[in-house]
Amino acid sequence: DAKTTQPPSMDCAEGRAANLPCNHSTISGNEYVYWYRQIHSQGPQYIIHGLKNNETNEMASLIITEDRKSSTLILPHATLRDTAVYYCIVRISNAGGTSYGKLTFGQGTILTVHP
Amino acid sequence: DTAVSQTPKYLVTQMGNDKSIKCEQNLGHDTMYWYKQDSKKFLKIMFSYNNKELIINETVPNRFSPKSPDKAHLNLHINSLELGDSAVYFCASYQGSGRETQYFGPGTRLLVL
Repeated sequence: DAKTTQPPSMDCAEGRAANLPCNHSTISGNEYVYWYRQIHSQGPQYIIHGLKNNETNEMASLIITEDRKSSTLILPHATLRDTAVYYCIVRISNAGGTSYGKLTFGQGTILTVHP
Repeated sequence: DTAVSQTPKYLVTQMGNDKSIKCEQNLGHDTMYWYKQDSKKFLKIMFSYNNKELIINETVPNRFSPKSPDKAHLNLHINSLELGDSAVYFCASYQGSGRETQYFGPGTRLLVL
């Protein structure tokens, strides 16, 4: 699985958009970008994933650059409850494969949302 | 209903003891995992089972033995506990086949004294 690079920490004001960057310059053509987050003392929680098109769901938006070497997770209106460690993970989709969903977590970005 | 549950939530024990952690998922998923998160907060996969068959073993010491009695359960037994085993252990489940979300349990906080 391709390695990812994220800033160790970021701050965001409540109600503003939080934009979390991730670099994955060695990503392969069949590797997806996944985002998970871990709120203090809880298990990781899936947020969103994508291959090359931008994706949006009820939690966030994922913007992937055209060359797929970087991506940005956007929380459009951050709340205090969004304070967490955000992990960007790159891996092959399991569909038809044998990776069985293995996730390799990096250090992630500690996002602190303040009032 | 909780999708992925773990018991116990907290476990404090002495070095050398043997202990088990249990995990159950009610999502009907085929694949389950154990992850370990150490004091530095690194989260690493330990094992994965698919339909009760071991498919991933990330060079975990033999003292750790996962057991999957059925698709919905994946238990972790640890023999001869060591100080370095102190960590938070997370169970997770996964459907696969294009449904890429992994669901994590709340974690078991193990402290070895």
